[in-house]
Amino acid sequence: DTAVSQTPKYLVTQMGNDKSIKCEQNLGHDTMYWYKQDSKKFLKIMFSYNNKELIINETVPNRFSPKSPDKAHLNLHINSLELGDSAVYFCASSQERSRRGTYNEQFFGPGTRLTVL
Amino acid sequence: DQQVKQNSPSLSVQEGRISILNCDYTNSMFDYFLWYKKYPAEGPTFLISISSIKDKNEDGRFTVFLNKSAKHLSLHIVPSQPGDSAVYFCAAIPRVGNTGKLIFGQGTTLQVKP
Repeated sequence: DTAVSQTPKYLVTQMGNDKSIKCEQNLGHDTMYWYKQDSKKFLKIMFSYNNKELIINETVPNRFSPKSPDKAHLNLHINSLELGDSAVYFCASSQERSRRGTYNEQFFGPGTRLTVL
Repeated sequence: DQQVKQNSPSLSVQEGRISILNCDYTNSMFDYFLWYKKYPAEGPTFLISISSIKDKNEDGRFTVFLNKSAKHLSLHIVPSQPGDSAVYFCAAIPRVGNTGKLIFGQGTTLQVKP
C-alpha cells in the first residue's frame, strides 16, 4: 500500500503552460506539505496545510497555488510555467504539525520530476 | 542563506566500517534535528532524530550526535552495509512558529562498497 502517492511521476511541458501535480495520503494524517528539490539538490519547503488550512507559505511565486480539497489531498497548481520551475517536487504528510519539543515524522511521496522546455 | 549545510557531497566506505556523515547549522533556534535517507526515484524516509536538549540518540546501527556549541551534528552508521548506500539529508525544525517545517541540507551521497 502506497502511503503518500503523487501523480504524475514525470511531467514534461512547455514554458507558459499550466499544470497540476496531485498528492494523496492514506495515513489519516492531518498535515501535508509540498517541497521542491532544485538542481543543487536542496529540498525546500513551499507550502503546508493542516486540516485544509494553509499554515506555511514560503516565498514562492504566486504562480504556484496549493489546493486541499480534503485532509487526504494536497494538489499543486502551477501557472505560466518557467524554465526555473524545473525540479523534483515532493509531497509529504505528518500526523500533525510538530509542536515545540516534539517531532512528528514526515512521510514523503516518491516525487514528481517536472521538466519545463 | 542556507541554515543547514552538509559540506561533503559524497562519502565512500568499505562494508563493515563506520560511516560518519556531518552536518552544520547556523541557527541556534532549532528544536529538533533529523536525518532522512533517500534512494533514487524515491522520496526521503525518516531515519533518526535528536532533540536539541540531548547530545546523543541511538537506534540500532545508527547514532546521531549533537554538539550544540559547535552547531554540528553527525550520523554514525556502524557497521555500514551495502544497503545503506543512499543520499542522506540532515534536517532541522525551527523552534519558532511550530509549523513542523523542515529545513534540509543539500545531502551527502554515501556509497558502501562490498
